[in-house]
Amino acid sequence: GENVEQHPSTLSVQEGDSAVIKCTYSDSASNYFPWYKQELGKRPQLIIDIRSNVGEKKDQRIAVTLNKTAKHFSLHITETQPEDSAVYFCAASKGGGGNKLTFGTGTQLKVEL
Amino acid sequence: DTAVSQTPKYLVTQMGNDKSIKCEQNLGHDTMYWYKQDSKKFLKIMFSYNNKELIINETVPNRFSPKSPDKAHLNLHINSLELGDSAVYFCASSSMRVGGEKLFFGSGTQLSVL
Repeated sequence: GENVEQHPSTLSVQEGDSAVIKCTYSDSASNYFPWYKQELGKRPQLIIDIRSNVGEKKDQRIAVTLNKTAKHFSLHITETQPEDSAVYFCAASKGGGGNKLTFGTGTQLKVEL
Repeated sequence: DTAVSQTPKYLVTQMGNDKSIKCEQNLGHDTMYWYKQDSKKFLKIMFSYNNKELIINETVPNRFSPKSPDKAHLNLHINSLELGDSAVYFCASSSMRVGGEKLFFGSGTQLSVL
Protein backbone atom coordinates (compact mmCIF):
# COMPACT_ATOMS: atom_id res chain seq x y z
CA GLY A 1 0.00 0.00 0.00
CA GLU A 2 0.90 3.67 -0.14
CA ASN A 3 3.40 5.06 2.37
CA VAL A 4 3.79 8.83 2.82
CA GLU A 5 6.74 10.27 4.70
CA GLN A 6 6.74 13.89 5.84
CA HIS A 7 9.41 16.12 7.30
CA PRO A 8 10.25 18.02 9.33
CA SER A 9 8.02 17.00 12.22
CA THR A 10 8.38 20.47 13.75
CA LEU A 11 9.28 23.76 12.12
CA SER A 12 9.76 27.12 13.77
CA VAL A 13 10.10 30.28 11.68
CA GLN A 14 10.06 34.00 12.27
CA GLU A 15 7.06 35.96 11.10
CA GLY A 16 7.58 37.00 7.49
CA ASP A 17 9.95 34.14 6.68
CA SER A 18 9.13 31.26 4.35
CA ALA A 19 8.35 27.72 5.45
CA VAL A 20 8.82 24.55 3.42
CA ILE A 21 7.42 21.12 4.25
CA LYS A 22 8.41 18.08 2.21
CA CYS A 23 6.74 14.73 1.57
CA THR A 24 7.61 11.60 -0.33
CA TYR A 25 5.27 8.84 -1.45
CA SER A 26 5.86 5.26 -2.47
CA ASP A 27 3.07 4.27 -4.88
CA SER A 28 3.75 5.49 -8.42
CA ALA A 29 0.03 5.09 -9.18
CA SER A 30 -0.85 7.92 -6.77
CA ASN A 31 -1.95 11.00 -8.65
CA TYR A 32 -3.69 13.27 -6.16
CA PHE A 33 -1.79 15.14 -3.45
CA PRO A 34 -3.70 17.39 -1.02
CA TRP A 35 -2.44 19.38 1.94
CA TYR A 36 -4.53 19.82 5.08
CA LYS A 37 -4.11 22.35 7.87
CA GLN A 38 -5.24 21.52 11.40
CA GLU A 39 -5.34 24.28 13.98
CA LEU A 40 -5.20 23.35 17.65
CA GLY A 41 -8.40 21.58 18.70
CA LYS A 42 -9.96 21.95 15.25
CA ARG A 43 -10.71 19.71 12.30
CA PRO A 44 -8.26 19.25 9.38
CA GLN A 45 -9.14 21.48 6.42
CA LEU A 46 -7.92 21.34 2.85
CA ILE A 47 -5.72 24.29 1.93
CA ILE A 48 -4.39 23.28 -1.47
CA ASP A 49 -4.11 20.21 -3.68
CA ILE A 50 -2.26 19.17 -6.82
CA ARG A 51 -2.73 16.45 -9.39
CA SER A 52 0.00 14.54 -11.15
CA ASN A 53 -0.51 16.29 -14.47
CA VAL A 54 0.61 19.57 -12.91
CA GLY A 55 4.06 20.42 -11.55
CA GLU A 56 3.19 23.45 -9.47
CA LYS A 57 0.14 25.22 -8.10
CA LYS A 58 -0.11 28.49 -6.24
CA ASP A 59 -2.80 30.14 -4.16
CA GLN A 60 -1.79 33.50 -2.70
CA ARG A 61 0.92 32.80 -0.10
CA ILE A 62 0.89 29.03 -0.44
CA ALA A 63 2.24 26.89 -3.26
CA VAL A 64 2.73 23.20 -3.84
CA THR A 65 5.27 21.57 -6.14
CA LEU A 66 5.29 17.98 -7.37
CA ASN A 67 8.12 15.92 -8.78
CA LYS A 68 6.56 12.70 -10.09
CA THR A 69 9.84 11.17 -11.10
CA ALA A 70 11.30 11.51 -7.64
CA LYS A 71 7.91 10.88 -5.99
CA HIS A 72 8.03 13.90 -3.77
CA PHE A 73 5.95 17.01 -3.26
CA SER A 74 6.37 20.10 -1.12
CA LEU A 75 4.34 22.87 0.48
CA HIS A 76 5.73 26.37 0.45
CA ILE A 77 4.32 29.15 2.62
CA THR A 78 5.70 32.65 2.04
CA GLU A 79 5.45 35.71 4.30
CA THR A 80 4.36 33.56 7.22
CA GLN A 81 1.97 35.01 9.77
CA PRO A 82 1.09 33.88 13.32
CA GLU A 83 -2.23 32.47 12.06
CA ASP A 84 -0.25 30.04 9.89
CA SER A 85 0.76 28.23 13.10
CA ALA A 86 -0.86 24.78 12.91
CA VAL A 87 -0.18 21.15 12.05
CA TYR A 88 0.10 20.55 8.31
CA PHE A 89 -0.54 17.16 6.74
CA CYS A 90 0.36 16.01 3.26
CA ALA A 91 -1.52 13.11 1.72
CA ALA A 92 -1.61 10.97 -1.39
CA SER A 93 -4.17 8.85 -3.20
CA LYS A 94 -4.94 7.38 -6.60
CA GLY A 95 -7.51 10.07 -7.13
CA GLY A 96 -11.23 9.80 -7.58
CA GLY A 97 -13.65 10.08 -4.75
CA GLY A 98 -13.68 7.14 -2.40
CA ASN A 99 -10.02 6.29 -2.97
CA LYS A 100 -8.04 5.82 0.21
CA LEU A 101 -6.16 8.95 1.22
CA THR A 102 -2.92 8.15 3.04
CA PHE A 103 -1.68 10.95 5.28
CA GLY A 104 1.84 11.92 6.24
CA THR A 105 2.76 12.16 9.92
CA GLY A 106 2.23 15.91 10.13
CA THR A 107 4.41 18.99 10.64
CA GLN A 108 3.87 21.32 13.58
CA LEU A 109 4.57 24.80 12.22
CA LYS A 110 5.14 27.61 14.71
CA VAL A 111 5.40 31.17 13.47
CA GLU A 112 7.10 33.34 16.05
CA LEU A 113 6.66 37.09 16.37
CA ASP B 1 -25.47 24.74 8.76
CA THR B 2 -22.57 22.49 9.76
CA ALA B 3 -21.62 20.39 6.75
CA VAL B 4 -20.35 17.33 8.66
CA SER B 5 -21.53 17.02 12.23
CA GLN B 6 -20.63 14.35 14.72
CA THR B 7 -21.74 13.70 18.27
CA PRO B 8 -20.73 13.64 20.99
CA LYS B 9 -17.78 16.04 20.99
CA TYR B 10 -16.35 14.50 24.15
CA LEU B 11 -16.77 10.96 25.41
CA VAL B 12 -15.28 9.80 28.70
CA THR B 13 -15.92 6.21 29.68
CA GLN B 14 -14.58 3.23 31.58
CA MET B 15 -12.69 0.30 30.10
CA GLY B 16 -14.97 -2.48 28.96
CA ASN B 17 -17.92 -0.23 28.14
CA ASP B 18 -19.63 0.00 24.74
CA LYS B 19 -20.10 3.41 23.11
CA SER B 20 -21.29 4.92 19.84
CA ILE B 21 -20.37 8.01 17.84
CA LYS B 22 -22.79 9.43 15.29
CA CYS B 23 -22.03 11.34 12.11
CA GLU B 24 -24.21 13.13 9.60
CA GLN B 25 -23.39 15.15 6.48
CA ASN B 26 -25.65 17.52 4.58
CA LEU B 27 -23.36 18.03 1.57
CA GLY B 28 -25.04 15.45 -0.63
CA HIS B 29 -21.84 13.38 -0.66
CA ASP B 30 -21.98 9.66 -1.36
CA THR B 31 -18.87 8.57 0.54
CA MET B 32 -18.19 8.79 4.27
CA TYR B 33 -15.19 7.84 6.39
CA TRP B 34 -13.95 7.32 9.91
CA TYR B 35 -10.42 8.44 10.74
CA LYS B 36 -8.56 7.98 14.02
CA GLN B 37 -6.08 10.60 15.23
CA ASP B 38 -3.80 9.39 17.99
CA SER B 39 -1.88 11.41 20.57
CA LYS B 40 0.95 11.99 18.08
CA LYS B 41 -1.55 13.57 15.67
CA PHE B 42 -1.22 10.75 13.16
CA LEU B 43 -4.36 10.50 10.99
CA LYS B 44 -5.26 6.95 9.97
CA ILE B 45 -8.26 5.79 7.99
CA MET B 46 -10.42 3.14 9.62
CA PHE B 47 -13.44 2.68 7.35
CA SER B 48 -15.07 4.10 4.26
CA TYR B 49 -18.63 3.68 2.99
CA ASN B 50 -20.01 4.54 -0.42
CA ASN B 51 -23.79 4.66 -0.71
CA LYS B 52 -24.13 2.56 2.44
CA GLU B 53 -21.64 -0.07 1.24
CA LEU B 54 -18.32 -0.71 2.94
CA ILE B 55 -15.45 -0.01 0.51
CA ILE B 56 -12.45 0.45 2.80
CA ASN B 57 -11.85 -1.57 5.92
CA GLU B 58 -8.38 -1.15 7.33
CA THR B 59 -6.87 -3.43 9.94
CA VAL B 60 -9.17 -2.42 12.74
CA PRO B 61 -10.17 -4.67 15.66
CA ASN B 62 -13.61 -6.16 15.13
CA ARG B 63 -14.68 -4.39 18.33
CA PHE B 64 -15.20 -1.44 15.98
CA SER B 65 -18.33 -1.74 13.88
CA PRO B 66 -19.42 0.99 11.48
CA LYS B 67 -23.02 1.29 10.36
CA SER B 68 -24.42 3.39 7.53
CA PRO B 69 -28.22 3.55 7.57
CA ASP B 70 -28.18 5.87 4.55
CA LYS B 71 -25.56 7.76 2.57
CA ALA B 72 -25.87 10.84 4.80
CA HIS B 73 -25.09 8.98 8.04
CA LEU B 74 -22.20 6.88 9.26
CA ASN B 75 -22.08 5.75 12.87
CA LEU B 76 -19.29 4.02 14.75
CA HIS B 77 -19.96 1.56 17.55
CA ILE B 78 -17.12 0.39 19.76
CA ASN B 79 -17.46 -2.65 22.02
CA SER B 80 -15.36 -3.49 25.08
CA LEU B 81 -13.42 -0.24 25.06
CA GLU B 82 -9.70 -0.42 25.85
CA LEU B 83 -7.22 2.20 27.05
CA GLY B 84 -5.57 2.22 23.60
CA ASP B 85 -8.82 3.33 21.99
CA SER B 86 -8.35 6.79 23.49
CA ALA B 87 -7.98 9.16 20.55
CA VAL B 88 -9.84 11.73 18.50
CA TYR B 89 -12.18 10.14 15.97
CA PHE B 90 -13.02 12.17 12.89
CA CYS B 91 -15.86 11.52 10.51
CA ALA B 92 -15.41 12.83 6.97
CA SER B 93 -17.22 12.83 3.66
CA SER B 94 -16.43 13.29 -0.02
CA SER B 95 -17.91 12.67 -3.43
CA MET B 96 -17.21 9.83 -5.85
CA ARG B 97 -17.52 12.15 -8.83
CA VAL B 98 -14.38 13.14 -10.72
CA GLY B 99 -12.60 15.86 -8.80
CA GLY B 100 -14.57 15.16 -5.65
CA GLU B 101 -11.69 13.89 -3.54
CA LYS B 102 -11.72 16.80 -1.08
CA LEU B 103 -12.45 15.50 2.40
CA PHE B 104 -14.76 17.48 4.63
CA PHE B 105 -14.11 16.58 8.24
CA GLY B 106 -16.43 16.72 11.20
CA SER B 107 -15.29 18.50 14.37
CA GLY B 108 -14.06 15.29 15.96
CA THR B 109 -14.95 13.21 19.02
CA GLN B 110 -12.38 13.14 21.81
CA LEU B 111 -12.68 9.65 23.32
CA SER B 112 -11.02 9.08 26.68
CA VAL B 113 -11.04 5.56 28.10
CA LEU B 114 -10.23 5.40 31.81
